[in-house]
Amino acid sequence: QSALTQPASVSGSPGQSITISCTGTSSNVGYSVLVSWYQLHPGKAPKLMIYETNKRPSGVSNRFSGSKSGNTASLTISGLQAGDEADYYCCTFAAGRTYVFGTGTKVAVL
Amino acid sequence: QVQLLESGPGLVKPSGTLSLTCTVSGTSINNNHWSWIRQTAGEGLEWLGRIDSGGTTDYNPSLKSRVIMSIDTSESRFSLKLSSVTAADTAVYYCARFVTNAFDIWGQGTMVTVSS
Repeated sequence: QSALTQPASVSGSPGQSITISCTGTSSNVGYSVLVSWYQLHPGKAPKLMIYETNKRPSGVSNRFSGSKSGNTASLTISGLQAGDEADYYCCTFAAGRTYVFGTGTKVAVL
Repeated sequence: QVQLLESGPGLVKPSGTLSLTCTVSGTSINNNHWSWIRQTAGEGLEWLGRIDSGGTTDYNPSLKSRVIMSIDTSESRFSLKLSSVTAADTAVYYCARFVTNAFDIWGQGTMVTVSS
């Protein structure tokens, strides 16, 4: 399974909304509703932001939302804040009982 | 709170075996699935495999011939062995708990460099 495709970077001003796409194939993103999203800050443990495509774990701000259409999943961050500046990765269960991650997106708050 | 802590050598020689352990605290290691994930420089995240408390494993097909995972429920820890390593295996290695179809708790990660 090849890595899912994400934009290398996305930027926005404080208060704006941004959307990160995660494009796969019918063998991974299109195959499963089990898409999750992770936030990575340097030197910190990665944090789960979205699971099962659009569910938020307890403690994650409702500014983060997830969706999926066909072979593309998306993470939207609304009301962008300085603390949202991080790398974000999508992940999905794929045919062959394996998990595949996206290529990662660096979010910059201007 | 739930904490995962990776430990092991930070330097492994080419063709050698990388061995890491993840110690679980704050929750039972039983009745859960546990995974290893790595982040290589410039390559993003890669799922290596998972193990449940009964010792059943699933491995990434791309690494299957080189990976062995094991679990010691009495010590609340699980382990990763990756054999025949090359420079391409240099990465930050994370352990993570797998629940509700996602990796909900991760360790801080440990850097492993493959070099002579």
